[in-house]
Amino acid sequence: ETGVTQSPTHLIKTRGQQVTLRCSSQSGHNTVSWYQQALGQGPQFIFQYYREEENGRGNFPPRFSGLQFPNYSSELNVNALELDDSALYLCASSLDRDSGYTFGSGTRLTVV
Amino acid sequence: AQSVAQPEDQVNVAEGNPLTVKCTYSVSGNPYLFWYVQYPNRGLQFLLKYITGDNLVKGSYGFEAEFNKSQTSFHLKKPSALVSDSALYFCAVRDQNTGRRALTFGSGTRLQVQP
Repeated sequence: ETGVTQSPTHLIKTRGQQVTLRCSSQSGHNTVSWYQQALGQGPQFIFQYYREEENGRGNFPPRFSGLQFPNYSSELNVNALELDDSALYLCASSLDRDSGYTFGSGTRLTVV
Repeated sequence: AQSVAQPEDQVNVAEGNPLTVKCTYSVSGNPYLFWYVQYPNRGLQFLLKYITGDNLVKGSYGFEAEFNKSQTSFHLKKPSALVSDSALYFCAVRDQNTGRRALTFGSGTRLQVQP
């Protein structure tokens, strides 16, 4: 059984650029969620996808967007990067509502 | 709306002593409750969850948590702390009665176990 894999592990971008982060869900998991964890804070929910459809969104602007593919892998896209977007971005997959959430190790994004 | 409070930024305990990390929550319906641990520069590792049933939940690495509905609490406990337990601990909640599966996390508690 494979876990959740995220790529890249680290990334440095310039303010105003666009970035794409990737996530491979745990085998058989049809739900993926993305979280942003700023330094010294708990993770904040960005959005969730269930069977390729967005199924909930947190308080993040539209420049944060996502995709889930037929194999349940996922992307997080952020446009017009701002300095405050610097954070650890975590992907989590789950099998169903009663299961635990398996988190990846995250992508550390630094915006300069 | 759902929320989680972890009132202690840091908990210090001597190795071999019992530890408690506190968590209180607020949801409109019945809660799903989780504890996760995070080591430096790593993602979150699942420790345990409460869905329904027995109020005392046993998890990984000897940790357990007690669900108290009247006090809306879900404190994490371990009878004997290890130095290797030193890490950042997060409590999280989700409302069972919504289709959204988003977790709301607390701000985290840093556990420091001294040798």
